[in-house]
Amino acid sequence: KNQVEQSPQSLIILEGKNCTLQCNYTVSPFSNLRWYKQDTGRGPVSLTIMTFSENTKSNGRYTATLDADTKQSSLHITASQLSDSASYICVVRQTGANNLFFGTGTRLTVIP
Amino acid sequence: DGGITQSPKYLFRKEGQNVTLSCEQNLNHDAMYWYRQDPGQGLRLIYYSQIVNDFQKGDIAEGYSVSREKKESFPLTVTSAQKNPTAFYLCASSIALVNEQFFGPGTRLTVL
Repeated sequence: KNQVEQSPQSLIILEGKNCTLQCNYTVSPFSNLRWYKQDTGRGPVSLTIMTFSENTKSNGRYTATLDADTKQSSLHITASQLSDSASYICVVRQTGANNLFFGTGTRLTVIP
Repeated sequence: DGGITQSPKYLFRKEGQNVTLSCEQNLNHDAMYWYRQDPGQGLRLIYYSQIVNDFQKGDIAEGYSVSREKKESFPLTVTSAQKNPTAFYLCASSIALVNEQFFGPGTRLTVL
C-alpha cells in the first residue's frame, strides 16, 4: 500500500534551536518528494523538491535529505524562528499513475 | 499580482443546503484540483481537471460536484449528499498534471 508517514506529529522547540522532521514512504514507483510549509489557516507552500538522484538540497535555513534506498526523507531547520511555526507536509509523487500521496504533517511550534 | 484565490475564506451553511466554493487562478495553468483537509489527516483529492471542459473524480468525490467552463475557474459545489462537509477546502493549480501544484489560501466550511 502506498503511504507517507511523518514524525513526530508535533514538536515544540525554543527559538534559535535546530530541529529535524522525518518522512518515511512506501510509494512506488517513486518520482519525487516535496516538502510543503503550511501556516495555520493558509494553503501549503513548497519548500523544496527532491528527485531520485538528489541526496541533499537546501533552501535558506531549510535542508532536505533523501535516501531513496531506505525511502526516507528529512527536513532540517536551522536556527529556528518564530515564523517557522507551521505544519510541514511531505508529499510523494508516484510515476506512471502520477498520483500524489500526502503525509499528515508535523506541527512545529517555535517558542521565544 | 498573479496567483490562486479562493472565496470566501469562511463559510457557514445549514445542514441540507448546497454550497459553492470559488477558486480562480491567473497563472495560465491548465490543471486545477480540489482537496479536503481534516485534522490529523493528509490532504485528500476530491476532483481534478486537466483542461477546460474536462474533470475527473478523485479519491473522495461522493457528495461533491465541479465544473470547468473557463481555464481560470474551477468551482466546487458541496451538496447535501456529502455526509460530513465541515472541513478546510484547498484549491490548487499546476501547469500540467506532472508539475508542481500551487495552493490557494483555502476556505473553511462549517455546516451547522
